[in-house]
Amino acid sequence: QPVLTQSPSASASLGASVNLTCTLDSGHSTYAIAWHQQQPEKGPRYLMRVKNDGTNDKGDGIPDRFSGSSSGADRFLKISSLQSEDEADYYCQTWGAGIGVFGGGTKLTVL
Amino acid sequence: EVQLVESGGGLVQPGGSLRLSCAASGFTFSSHWMHWVRQGPGKGLVWVSRINSDGSITEYGDSVKGRFTISRDNAKNTLYLQMNSLRGDDTAVYYCSREKGGPLDYWGQGILVTVSS
Repeated sequence: QPVLTQSPSASASLGASVNLTCTLDSGHSTYAIAWHQQQPEKGPRYLMRVKNDGTNDKGDGIPDRFSGSSSGADRFLKISSLQSEDEADYYCQTWGAGIGVFGGGTKLTVL
Repeated sequence: EVQLVESGGGLVQPGGSLRLSCAASGFTFSSHWMHWVRQGPGKGLVWVSRINSDGSITEYGDSVKGRFTISRDNAKNTLYLQMNSLRGDDTAVYYCSREKGGPLDYWGQGILVTVSS
């Protein structure tokens, strides 16, 4: 089954940009992934799917400040013009062999 | 507007059973695979189970296989999770989620299940 690796934490200043990374294991490096945001005390919210070729399609109502890209086994989530409400946990998710898989999540702090 | 509303959670003793429900609205429920995902206290998201659109295919994570059963009633637009032989490490917020070709594109607000004596 696929394995997804995320850094536990990241930080960036208000108004700046940040790139979060989700890395697929070598046996599944061409898989698409999905990014989800979980604000404190809330349920997750789907942000977008990022494919192996870097193309991405966003969920309903997701601002243009959020974008995705890909390089090799890495899938990126870029958040531009950081706002205080972007402080949240971000999870990547993939699917294969009949199961779902999540990364461990990255806690983003907006300074 | 897509809505997923979980219910049925609460406090249960170890070894007990509980059935979660997820009422779906705002989309054609019978056209989508549906999932359960859980999150232990202070922990990350963990995939639990999924079911195909007509209920004929079900799959489970290793930690719940043989104890949990996912099902659905398309006439009632409702997803279920029957949880038996509950253990302390099943304590979590349980989310139902809709799948759209792989990604889980809508989530419920979650329901807390606490397993404790």
